[in-house]
Amino acid sequence: ETGVTQTPRHLVMGMTNKKSLKCEQHLGHNAMYWYKQSAKKPLELMFVYSLEERVENNSVPSRFSPECPNSSHLFLHLHTLQPEDSALYLCASSPNVGQGAVNEQFFGPGTRLTVL
Amino acid sequence: GENVEQHPSTLSVQEGDSAVIKCTYSDSASNYFPWYKQELGKGPQLIIDIRSNVGEKKDQRIAVTLNKTAKHFSLHITETQPEDSAVYFCAASRGNTPLVFGKGTRLSVIA
Repeated sequence: ETGVTQTPRHLVMGMTNKKSLKCEQHLGHNAMYWYKQSAKKPLELMFVYSLEERVENNSVPSRFSPECPNSSHLFLHLHTLQPEDSALYLCASSPNVGQGAVNEQFFGPGTRLTVL
Repeated sequence: GENVEQHPSTLSVQEGDSAVIKCTYSDSASNYFPWYKQELGKGPQLIIDIRSNVGEKKDQRIAVTLNKTAKHFSLHITETQPEDSAVYFCAASRGNTPLVFGKGTRLSVIA
């Protein structure tokens, strides 16, 4: 185990549903990340948080809404998704990010999301 | 920004043979180059990394080489085993920026 857990592991939702993905890291890291992994684009960085502050948002549609209440927890709130949003959503953490960062990233197992 | 190209996209080797995966990067300021292994149903797992002040690093059957002048780095797996079958990703970073990943190589080790 990498010290990063994600729940749920599998999620099926309709386009009108609202759901949330949860990530928790037990490594004492200060930076957390959301990635989308699909067959066409293997690893797309979505959001980066450093010390609970969002530092990067890679032009992600507003139907994805991240939340980082503390440095150990990260959420991805989902609403009115499209079928093309079906993918594996991966959470990762690293000791820090930014100037002088130590950026070894550790990934969770992912949430397999299917949008019907 | 950084761009990482990875080749080949698929690779099949006989058990016991060596496997080599190559990546090139575009940002000469990148100084950290990790490799990840992703097995079916799991997230990517860091298997080895190298920093720009080192040309080669080994860990048992796995080695990574870095050529800063040519801006490319490679993963070498010797004496491959069926459990080495997975998707491998390379990545690059300046150290103060998030990792930029290659598109992955699906390695199949045939027993």
